[in-house]
Amino acid sequence: DAGVIQSPRHEVTEMGQEVTLRCKPISGHNSLFWYRQTMMRGLELLIYFNNNVPIDDSGMPEDRFSAKMPNASFSTLKIQPSEPRDSAVYFCASSLAGLAYETQYFGPGTRLLVL
Amino acid sequence: GQQVMQIPQYQHVQEGEDFTTYCNSSTTLSNIQWYKQRPGGHPVFLIQLVKSGEVKKQKRLTFQFGEAKKNSSLHITATQTTDVGTYFCAGLSSNDYKLSFGAGTTVTVRA
Repeated sequence: DAGVIQSPRHEVTEMGQEVTLRCKPISGHNSLFWYRQTMMRGLELLIYFNNNVPIDDSGMPEDRFSAKMPNASFSTLKIQPSEPRDSAVYFCASSLAGLAYETQYFGPGTRLLVL
Repeated sequence: GQQVMQIPQYQHVQEGEDFTTYCNSSTTLSNIQWYKQRPGGHPVFLIQLVKSGEVKKQKRLTFQFGEAKKNSSLHITATQTTDVGTYFCAGLSSNDYKLSFGAGTTVTVRA
């Protein structure tokens, strides 16, 4: 079975450019999570969707970040404009139901470098 | 807000020895999950603890949830080179259902 799929796996861009990260959750999973991982701040939950609806976006750093989930099989995380401090590994994860009592399955991550 | 502290940050272990990593929350948790991330990889779910005082074992790994549901531990016996990686705890606050990850314990093993 395919796990969580993320693209691209690596992204190098220049400051000020728009970056779009993509995620396909495991089929049948109703919840999707976006995380950011850095050495300084560790693993941070950015936003959490349940049945395609954003439930908690309190972790989104600022207005430059936006996330959408137009359907159950696709989500995007967009950074516009990007800044060097956005350099990190961005993980998408999905779970069968919700945040509580459910295993999260992580994708391989997108390694973003903003120059 | 809720904070989940994990210690130690680094653990260098002789192969065959035991070690323990600890996770402490500033607030009561609804549940706690443990994940392992290999170098260059992504977090992989290990286990979830829900009940006060719960203890679960997976082969050489023993997970414990504190009686007050504010702390947890992972104990690995007879460490092997396959245990290398970073172990994260993630606590779900019982107040606001916010999930917080600890900073992780990065384990290296010397043969």
